[in-house]
Amino acid sequence: DGGITQSPKYLFRKEGQNVTLSCEQNLNHDAMYWYRQDPGQGLRLIYYSQIVNDFQKGDIAEGYSVSREKKESFPLTVTSAQKNPTAFYLCASSGSPGAGELFFGEGSRLTVL
Amino acid sequence: AQSVTQPDIHITVSEGASLELRCNYSYGATPYLFWYVQSPGQGLQLLLKYFSGDTLVQGIKGFEAEFKRSQSSFNLRKPSVHWSDAAEYFCAVGQNTGGFKTIFGAGTRLFVKA
Repeated sequence: DGGITQSPKYLFRKEGQNVTLSCEQNLNHDAMYWYRQDPGQGLRLIYYSQIVNDFQKGDIAEGYSVSREKKESFPLTVTSAQKNPTAFYLCASSGSPGAGELFFGEGSRLTVL
Repeated sequence: AQSVTQPDIHITVSEGASLELRCNYSYGATPYLFWYVQSPGQGLQLLLKYFSGDTLVQGIKGFEAEFKRSQSSFNLRKPSVHWSDAAEYFCAVGQNTGGFKTIFGAGTRLFVKA
């Protein structure tokens, strides 16, 4: 079945450690997105990529980094510079710019102790 | 800047009753509008979308939404709620400047009572 796979589903890390969240899609979509979800705040855009080897900052990119070396993969690194990293992270993809509809993975919950 | 407002943080309805979830947006041009649903601990699923044309759009699971330009609103409705509709609902607006981005509202959590 086509879809988006995020891993790990749950992750615990100590403060000061970098963490990388995986996002893989087999939908052959060009665009991929990372959102952060906190209670009562909806989803906030961290980074997005419209094409391989290119990505743009979203509204809350500070303390995060991404890469897009392959069409199907868009990993997110939460660095030690992110002041409040504990959150639910959602990866999404879209078929083409302007198509609009986002397809989501099941999310990764990161807890920093 | 674009924004999406969902004025109700949570709503409780009885099973079988009708439902309306409110959404207001701020956007200069004709917006791309969406409603998504999220079950606890899961990703989001698209319920319906409006790009142009008929202002009343039908979605999955018996939901519909009406675009009202004069009120900058895109309210979600369902005539008869089922217990399985309990979830969080997000209204979103898309913008296509330098790449297509989707901006989400804060969400409305729906509780369904027997």
